[in-house]
Amino acid sequence: AQSVTQPDIHITVSEGASLELRCNYSYGATPYLFWYVQSPGQGLQLLLKYFSGDTLVQGIKGFEAEFKRSQSSFNLRKPSVHWSDAAEYFCAASGTYKYIFGTGTRLKVLA
Amino acid sequence: GAVVSQHPSRVICKSGTSVKIECRSLDFQATTMFWYRQFPKQSLMLMATSNEGSKATYEQGVEKDKFLINHASLTLSTLTVTSAHPEDSSFYICSADPVGSIYNEQFFGPGTRLTVL
Repeated sequence: AQSVTQPDIHITVSEGASLELRCNYSYGATPYLFWYVQSPGQGLQLLLKYFSGDTLVQGIKGFEAEFKRSQSSFNLRKPSVHWSDAAEYFCAASGTYKYIFGTGTRLKVLA
Repeated sequence: GAVVSQHPSRVICKSGTSVKIECRSLDFQATTMFWYRQFPKQSLMLMATSNEGSKATYEQGVEKDKFLINHASLTLSTLTVTSAHPEDSSFYICSADPVGSIYNEQFFGPGTRLTVL
């Protein structure tokens, strides 16, 4: 069955520290991959996406993600976290027309 | 570009009434629109896929008669929650897949918070 797994439900980091959010997928073929961020009571904002080509993808707000086919992973990274990055992060995969979402990772940033 | 709006952003209604939520693609046409439901601190759950001019396809476990979906044009889909009850209170998010898109990227609306008293 197709699935997207975000192993970390909660992550807490100090402001200025580096961040890595994990995402693993199970799919018949290489899906299109997305990372979204959601602030409380808000909709989803696209951070970055991977369709093909360069496996290191740059996104908005200083985020990047690396697609690793061998590990079926698409981890999100940021070198220095800001307090405003506190939010819920969702990884999603699409191969046909439907999205499969991960369960989300809630990021807390300590001042 | 690729902006999706939802109206209303928040709605409070009494139990037993019906509520309509609109989803519009503002600067593109969308053959397919999607409706999601999100419970607090949970991920998005796909409720149905709506195609312009045809009946919506509902996910397993979603009541078709409770959640009526109409996709009358390439820029508008509506979700009507009929005879709403408190358990229908949730955050509803729509998304749209642009006509001609080859990557199946969905563009999301800002969501509608429904509270049923």
